[in-house]
Amino acid sequence: EVQLVESGGGLVQPGGSLRLSCAASGFTFSNYDMHWVRQATGKGLEWVSAIGTAGDPYYPGSVQGRFTISRENAKNSLYLQMNSLRPGDTAVYYCARGNNWSFDYWGQGALVTVYS
Amino acid sequence: QSELTQPPSVSGAPGQRVTISCTGSSSNIGAGYDVHWYQQLPGTAPKLLIYASNNRPSGVPGRFSGSKSGTSASLAITGLQGEDEADYFCQSYNSGLSAWEFGGGTKLTVL
Repeated sequence: EVQLVESGGGLVQPGGSLRLSCAASGFTFSNYDMHWVRQATGKGLEWVSAIGTAGDPYYPGSVQGRFTISRENAKNSLYLQMNSLRPGDTAVYYCARGNNWSFDYWGQGALVTVYS
Repeated sequence: QSELTQPPSVSGAPGQRVTISCTGSSSNIGAGYDVHWYQQLPGTAPKLLIYASNNRPSGVPGRFSGSKSGTSASLAITGLQGEDEADYFCQSYNSGLSAWEFGGGTKLTVL
């Protein structure tokens, strides 16, 4: 059974940093692209970052230069380093497995709150 | 700003058929990128409902179906049930933005 479990969410002040982790199991992690997708309370889904099987990262303009995605295949783990956080980054962050341009499995999410 | 547009809400009575539209552009659906649909039940993570326009993952009831034409796509739900009350999101890839993108979501209410 595919499982994705996020951790590392919490409260942080504007300008601060936070690192999210996602532990994957039930599939060959190294064979899949992985993504982070976020959702502010009551709002829609927003793609935040992706990493290919070769470790190549991709970001939208809203987080480019502030967020860094990485993976550690030996540990079946995905990470998201978030720097220079803003109140607008407050959201639930989901780890998701990529499959042919879709997201076929999702974690339960980790809440990140940026407050002043 | 997403280039996928969905109606904010739709509703239907139990047993009825409803459709949710997803209007895209020449940079996403019109460029040939597949459309995928997700169901998000209240308080839970999204779940893949339809992939590559009209394919159902294992376990998704046949009441759910998808279609695509030109720069638009649609999700149809037949035999509406109370448990279908949820938010539905379409998703594709935008080659102009070099980004995966989602529609704004549609809240389905079962009357």
